[in-house]
Amino acid sequence: DTGVSQDPRHKITKRGQNVTFRCDPISEHNRLYWYRQTLGQGPEFLTYFQNEAQLEKSRLLSDRFSAERPKGSFSTLEIQRTEQGDSAMYLCASSPIQGGYTFGSGTRLTVV
Amino acid sequence: QKEVEQNSGPLSVPEGAIASLNCTYSDRVSQSFFWYRQYSGKSPELIMSIYSNGDKEDGRFTAQLNKASQYVSLLIRDSQPSDSATYLCAPILGSSNTGKLIFGQGTTLQVKP
Repeated sequence: DTGVSQDPRHKITKRGQNVTFRCDPISEHNRLYWYRQTLGQGPEFLTYFQNEAQLEKSRLLSDRFSAERPKGSFSTLEIQRTEQGDSAMYLCASSPIQGGYTFGSGTRLTVV
Repeated sequence: QKEVEQNSGPLSVPEGAIASLNCTYSDRVSQSFFWYRQYSGKSPELIMSIYSNGDKEDGRFTAQLNKASQYVSLLIRDSQPSDSATYLCAPILGSSNTGKLIFGQGTTLQVKP
């Protein structure tokens, strides 16, 4: 297993467009997390999956954000009607039941 | 009070010195702590975990947890220029059974040759 994979690495989109990111976690990890990070800040929690169930979603997340993890494998994060404030690094991480996360390389989103 | 607080720095140390990075936390977090290193433009990388009061050593890194004072620190001995990065303190949120980590804003370390 090569770790957590995220695709794409970079995405530039026009304001108002929809974007979708993909995350492939470490296969034996059943916990999957999405975070967002802006310059000079630590990662901010967005949502959490245990297997295929989305068990927690940040109250800071608007309805324009949705995430799925069909069959408890890969996960997608979609942002509808993007805004300039959505520009950030989107990080996916997976973990076993106990222990720290392994992060993917992230997807850098730029909304122009 | 924020759940996790770190001095953003930058903390500048000469090569070969000991770098001391500190993090304070609120009652809302659990007693499980993780330290991540993040190079500019890269994603965070786990370097240390500590779960009980006291010190834990791993190579040049030592994590220290003081529950009474509610702080956790990371010491880097014999600092190298390659240690220059942002160090993130991340405890598990105490009320969470999801293992959710709460990150501080990170301390930027600069090791000067």
